[in-house]
Amino acid sequence: QVTLRESGPALVKPTQTLTLTCTFSGFSLTTGGMFVSWIRQPPGKALEWLALIGWDDDEYYSTSLKTRLTISKDTSKNQVVLTMTNMDPVDTATYFCARIQQSFTYDAFDIWGQGTMVTVSS
Amino acid sequence: SYELTQPPSVSVSPGQTARITCSGDALPKQYVYWYQQKPGQAPILVIYKDSERPSGIPERFSGSSSGTTVTLTISGVQAEDEADYYCQSADSSGTYVFGTGTKVTVL
Repeated sequence: QVTLRESGPALVKPTQTLTLTCTFSGFSLTTGGMFVSWIRQPPGKALEWLALIGWDDDEYYSTSLKTRLTISKDTSKNQVVLTMTNMDPVDTATYFCARIQQSFTYDAFDIWGQGTMVTVSS
Repeated sequence: SYELTQPPSVSVSPGQTARITCSGDALPKQYVYWYQQKPGQAPILVIYKDSERPSGIPERFSGSSSGTTVTLTISGVQAEDEADYYCQSADSSGTYVFGTGTKVTVL
């Protein structure tokens, strides 16, 4: 069974750096065609794609946020970490991690974590 | 990156057909994926590669594509289909985009 679970602080202050961890099971990020991505959703608003890391170590970032984002992986721990610098109240959102399995569903996010709510406030 | 535009809302009576559109200039070159999201829950993939249905998704969900517009069709809508629906695509540079979202209300 494939699962992903997000973890991190529920509250951060403006200008701080946010670090979120996605811990997954049921697949390996060393398998060809596997990717893990971060996506966020402000309250009442649409989904927004943030970043992606692949089995081949390739990294991709949202054009509008790339200067603030870093994605990394620890394959021994089955974890993907996202850091976002200089947090602002507009970054308040639920942050999801999700898997891409290109060999089956191409560029679809086929399995999602439950999400973690992050509030940015002083 | 580019934008994907969806109607904000669609209302449909039980048993009728709901059609949700997603428009974007790059769509003729890229596949589209559709997600269903109920309040307080993570999205669920309902259509991939324009018209393929993952296992476990009911046959009443279908997808089609024509030029710069793709359509998610829900035939014989049921009360449980009331949710937000998002389209999603990817571009050749490895970035991804979601649509603006459509709230489906079952009357």
